[in-house]
Formats: sequence, C-alpha cells, structure tokens
Amino acid sequence: GENVEQHPSTLSVQEGDSAVIKCTYSDSASNYFPWYKQELGKGPQLIIDIRSNVGEKKDQRIAVTLNKTAKHFSLHITETQPEDSAVYFCAASRVDDYKLSFGAGTTVTVRA
Amino acid sequence: GAGVSQSPSNKVTEKGKDVELRCDPISGHTALYWYRQSLGQGLEFLIYFQGNSAPDKSGLPSDRFSAERTGGSVSTLTIQRTQQEDSAVYLCASSLGGATEAFFGQGTRLTVV
Repeated sequence: GENVEQHPSTLSVQEGDSAVIKCTYSDSASNYFPWYKQELGKGPQLIIDIRSNVGEKKDQRIAVTLNKTAKHFSLHITETQPEDSAVYFCAASRVDDYKLSFGAGTTVTVRA
Repeated sequence: GAGVSQSPSNKVTEKGKDVELRCDPISGHTALYWYRQSLGQGLEFLIYFQGNSAPDKSGLPSDRFSAERTGGSVSTLTIQRTQQEDSAVYLCASSLGGATEAFFGQGTRLTVV
C-alpha cells in the first residue's frame, strides 16, 4: 500500500517569511496529491491539490510542486501570516482507487 | 446540510461500554472514510467505503471496531467494550472518489473514562 512521509513535523517561521513542507510517497501509481490545513478544533480542509500531469500549481500565496521521478511533492507558503498557523497534511491517492493516504502532519507556527 | 455531518460531536463513555458514531456524508459522494486522530497526532486511517462495500479494513485497530454503510449514504462506526486508549477524535470524510477532494466533518471527540 501507499506510504506517505512528511517533514518537518514542526515548523516555526517569522511572519512574512516562507514555509516549505515536503512529502514523499511510495506508490509510483499515485497521481493525486492534495494538501489539507487543520485549524484547532476543526476537521482538515483542502487548500490546494495537484495531479501528476503537472509539475507545479499556484494559488495566491501557496504553491505545490511535484517531482514524479523522485516521488516527492512540496507545499510552499510565501509571505506567511499569523492565520497560516495550523497543522498541514499532505496526502496521496490514485485515480483508480478511493483510498487516501495521509502524511503525519506538520504543525506550522507563524511568529508575529 | 451541505457538508459532512458527524454525531455526536462529543461523547463521554465509561470503559467497557459500546459506542456508535455516525457520519452523514455529502449527498452523492460514493467514497466515505473514517480516520482517528489522537491529541496532537496525525490522521490514522481506519476504513473506507466505496458505496456500501469496504475494500480496505486494514486500519481497524482491533476486532472491537466495526463500521458499516447502508444505502450508499450514512455510515456508523461502532466500538465495542471501549478502552481508555480509544479516546480520540474520530473524523469522517466523503468524496466523489477517484482522486477528488475529500470533505471532512468536524469530528466526534470520544472520551473513555
């Protein structure tokens, strides 16, 4: 089965700096890679996703890159703000399989 | 409602009792997932459904845990003879399946005393 590893487990950044979270996956057939943000007391919420037919996707201050050869993908948050403080999860799945496998999560703290 | 609904939102139970957690997915979503999240931890996969069938039950921690889904809609997660280590937030999510966005409920916080 798919195994997703995520690093770092915690990340503290100064407001305005960038934050980068990296994930690797094991199943070369995986082709869908979503990122979720979980705020305290809430369920995770999708913030961006990428499919294997593209290498990069950007949405305002967040971007995701995918390297299928190396089987890793990354989340980049630029110009971080206090409201970016949360737990972020990466995940991987296949279009022909419903199972969604998550990384262990990264707790991001943005210092004012 | 428009989102995934879970009930109850909080449940305190005595050790040894059975509990039933309910998940109402978004209408039309064929895929339904159960995850467990212990305090400050990641998302532990429990089980997922494609329609009413569960192709992968490998995440269920023990035979005290079971889940079912009827009519391709509502799902219940049952924990028998609860133990203190079962205390956690149980999250349900649903999606159209096949690499599409999964929408999560708010979770059920289970406390076994």
